[in-house]
Amino acid sequence: DAGVIQSPRHEVTEMGQEVTLRCKPISGHDYLFWYRQTMMRGLELLIYFNNNVPIDDSGMPEDRFSAKMPNASFSTLKIQPSEPRDSAVYFCASSFWGRGTGNYGYTFGSGTRLTVV
Amino acid sequence: QKEVEQDPGPLSVPEGAIVSLNCTYSNSAFQYFMWYRQYSRKGPELLMYTYSSGNKEDGRFTAQVDKSSKYISLFIRDSQPSDSATYLCAMTRRGRDDKIIFGKGTRLHILP
Repeated sequence: DAGVIQSPRHEVTEMGQEVTLRCKPISGHDYLFWYRQTMMRGLELLIYFNNNVPIDDSGMPEDRFSAKMPNASFSTLKIQPSEPRDSAVYFCASSFWGRGTGNYGYTFGSGTRLTVV
Repeated sequence: QKEVEQDPGPLSVPEGAIVSLNCTYSNSAFQYFMWYRQYSRKGPELLMYTYSSGNKEDGRFTAQVDKSSKYISLFIRDSQPSDSATYLCAMTRRGRDDKIIFGKGTRLHILP
């Protein structure tokens, strides 16, 4: 199992540009989460999907952020236009809440380190 | 008051020592408690989870939950340099269909 795959690993962009982060969850997982991590705020949940449907996007900071999950094996997080305060590590995680499996955790990808200059 | 509080550290201890990491929380509805370990430039990985109050042991790691005090702990025995990482506590109310709330993490350094 290759785990949760995120791309790119690093992204440096200029303020005002569009940024697209990509995620491939673990096959068979029915939940997908997007988190942002900074030193000041820690891990913040931005949005999560269940069976490709957005369930809770209350953590999306503003309209500049959007996320999609067109199918079970792919999700994107887009920032347009980007700003320096968006600089952070963005993590995608997936999960399968199987009854009786005792699985209550997420599997995280390695993250995308975004720098907006 | 934040939902989950965790001392950011850093915490430096000599190899072989017992490490105690802690979190407090404010929401009494939390029932599932987890500890994640995060190495530098990696994503967090699930280390242990417990349901409700009590202890759970896995090798050198012991997770403890005291719901009456809203306090959870992770103990690491015979600490190793490879245990050097950031440890994040996490919790959720229902497990399924509920988001996990993370602490900010405690940076731990095990000195050889």
